[in-house]
Amino acid sequence: GAGVSQTPSNKVTEKGKYVELRCDPISGHTALYWYRQSLGQGPEFLIYFQGTGAADDSGLPNDRFFAVRPEGSVSTLKIQRTERGDSAVYLCASSLWWNTEAFFGQGTRLTVV
Amino acid sequence: TQLLEQSPQFLSIQEGENLTVYCNSSSVFSSLQWYRQEPGEGPVLLVTVVTGGEVKKLKRLTFQFGDARKDSSLHITAAQPGDTGLYLCAGAGQELNKLVFGAGTILRVKS
Repeated sequence: GAGVSQTPSNKVTEKGKYVELRCDPISGHTALYWYRQSLGQGPEFLIYFQGTGAADDSGLPNDRFFAVRPEGSVSTLKIQRTERGDSAVYLCASSLWWNTEAFFGQGTRLTVV
Repeated sequence: TQLLEQSPQFLSIQEGENLTVYCNSSSVFSSLQWYRQEPGEGPVLLVTVVTGGEVKKLKRLTFQFGDARKDSSLHITAAQPGDTGLYLCAGAGQELNKLVFGAGTILRVKS
């Protein structure tokens, strides 16, 4: 497809486990963003990549969260020692450049039980 | 910390009615965006406003950015059931896509 693709769509994991969430941006988009949306809230910025490097990771809540984009395309958000409070929809977005319109994926719903 | 407050949180109206959603902040933003989000989907950009006082129209939707670039409104004329969804405003500083989102307004239009 031509849009931003996120996998899996849903992930249920036990407290304390490690999870990886994947984002395939639109081909050719240089900028990639991760947001987290809790129930009844708007998305909250986590991290922003320009190419392979994290240009701004100020939204990551703590050191259990880490994201990579090794080849400047696909990105993986990694969460260690998951907690119930990590349950949310994790949204990925990409844009052609840092200052052009961003397109969001459908999100990964993470549930920590 | 920049915050955006949206009101109302929930709006249920009949088809054909008009409505306005508000987005307010004590912070100044370089630009403000409005999104619509449906269940199980990501937000979809409706409009970006960048100039204080700017008014943009998109068919039955009218968006306004406040003169001081701290607030915005979305007005829908003659709402239709297809307008049902979550409407989110989001403000940006120098980086267009590092957004601060409001909590959203859930709109339900009944036929």
